[in-house]
Amino acid sequence: AQSVTQPDIHITVSEGASLELRCNYSYGATPYLFWYVQSPGQGLQLLLKYFSGDTLVQGIKGFEAEFKRSQSSFNLRKPSVHWSDAAEYFCAVVEGGSYIPTFGRGTSLIVHP
Amino acid sequence: DAGVIQSPRHEVTEMGQEVTLRCKPISGHNSLFWYRQTMMRGLELLIYFNNNVPIDDSGMPEDRFSAKMPNASFSTLKIQPSEPRDSAVYFCASRAGLDNQPQHFGDGTRLSIL
Repeated sequence: AQSVTQPDIHITVSEGASLELRCNYSYGATPYLFWYVQSPGQGLQLLLKYFSGDTLVQGIKGFEAEFKRSQSSFNLRKPSVHWSDAAEYFCAVVEGGSYIPTFGRGTSLIVHP
Repeated sequence: DAGVIQSPRHEVTEMGQEVTLRCKPISGHNSLFWYRQTMMRGLELLIYFNNNVPIDDSGMPEDRFSAKMPNASFSTLKIQPSEPRDSAVYFCASRAGLDNQPQHFGDGTRLSIL
């Protein structure tokens, strides 16, 4: 069965600093990969997705993610964090043909002024 | 464009009462998911519909939970009887097409069972 690991439960960064959130999956083939963000009191919102092609994908709000097949990773990055980026971030993976996403446990991002 | 609409946003009720959560997916989306989110267990898939047909309900906790999708524009999740451990935020999400498309989430229903 596919699984998704987000090893960091919480990450604290200073405003303006760079950010990397980790996501690893256990899966044979190349899955479909997603990052979502959840602000307090709201549902999950898509940041970006990877299906195939260029392994570096750009998303909304200045986020990007890089798919590394050899490491089974899909890490999310942002060069300069803003206070409004404080939220919960979820990585999701879909095995081709399974139709059902598997979500990581999420990483809570705290931004210090 | 209207997103996924869930109602009510908040529900507080006493143990033993019936609870009905409602979801209107995005028009044209043919997949619908119900999730439960808690601090302890994170985001759990309860049930997945495709073209109004339940495909996977293995995440439904027990017989007290039931879900229906009578048409493409409406779904309900019912808990009867409710228990305090059912307190959580319940999300509905819809998706166009199959597995390579993203899900669109509603803002959830925060359920408190006293």
